Amino acid sequence: AQSVTQLGSHVSVSEGALVLLRCNYSSSVPPYLFWYVQYPNQGLQLLLKYTSAATLVKGINDFEAEFKKSETSFHLTKPSAHMSDAAEYFCAVRNTGNQFYFGTGTSLTVIP
Amino acid sequence: NAGVTQTPKFQVLKTGQSMTLQCAQDMNHEYMSWYRQDPGMGLRLIHYSVGAGITDQGEVPNGYNVSRSTTEDFPLRLLSAAPSQTSVYFCASSPGLAGAAEQFFGPGTRLTVL
Repeated sequence: AQSVTQLGSHVSVSEGALVLLRCNYSSSVPPYLFWYVQYPNQGLQLLLKYTSAATLVKGINDFEAEFKKSETSFHLTKPSAHMSDAAEYFCAVRNTGNQFYFGTGTSLTVIP
Repeated sequence: NAGVTQTPKFQVLKTGQSMTLQCAQDMNHEYMSWYRQDPGMGLRLIHYSVGAGITDQGEVPNGYNVSRSTTEDFPLRLLSAAPSQTSVYFCASSPGLAGAAEQFFGPGTRLTVL
């Protein structure tokens, strides 16, 4: 069975600091991995996805994530946090089946 | 393209009432799904469909029905609402399950059951 673990339900960073949001997955086969962002009172938007073409994936708004098979991780990073990055972030996984599995989310607060 | 649309945006029901949450997409996507979002629990899959006429249960299907008579529409029915169904509901669609096709989400329906 698939599962996704997001370490840290709440993360606070100062404006301009590095953002690191952690995601670990369990899968018996190489999965497809996604990061979504949810702004208040909105639906989820895709930030980036892992397609096996490259282990370092670049997404929108300078976010990127690195797939590490040995660590079963897909952590999300951004070099410099902006106030507009404050949102809820979800990691999701799908293998060859019909279902997506989402983590419980990480709420990012950016401190001015 | 309007993308994925959901109606209504907000709804208040009394225990035992029934209602249908509407979801439509204009992207000709084969795959559609319904999730509920509760604090601290992320998104949990209720039902999904891989094409018109085909539906299947997700992680939390009890108390909900779905049907998929057209590619565009995927309504979610609550037969007898319960307070435990108070949640935010999201509909999503995807062009398919080949490769790393992502899901596109609607804006959500916030449901309160009293």
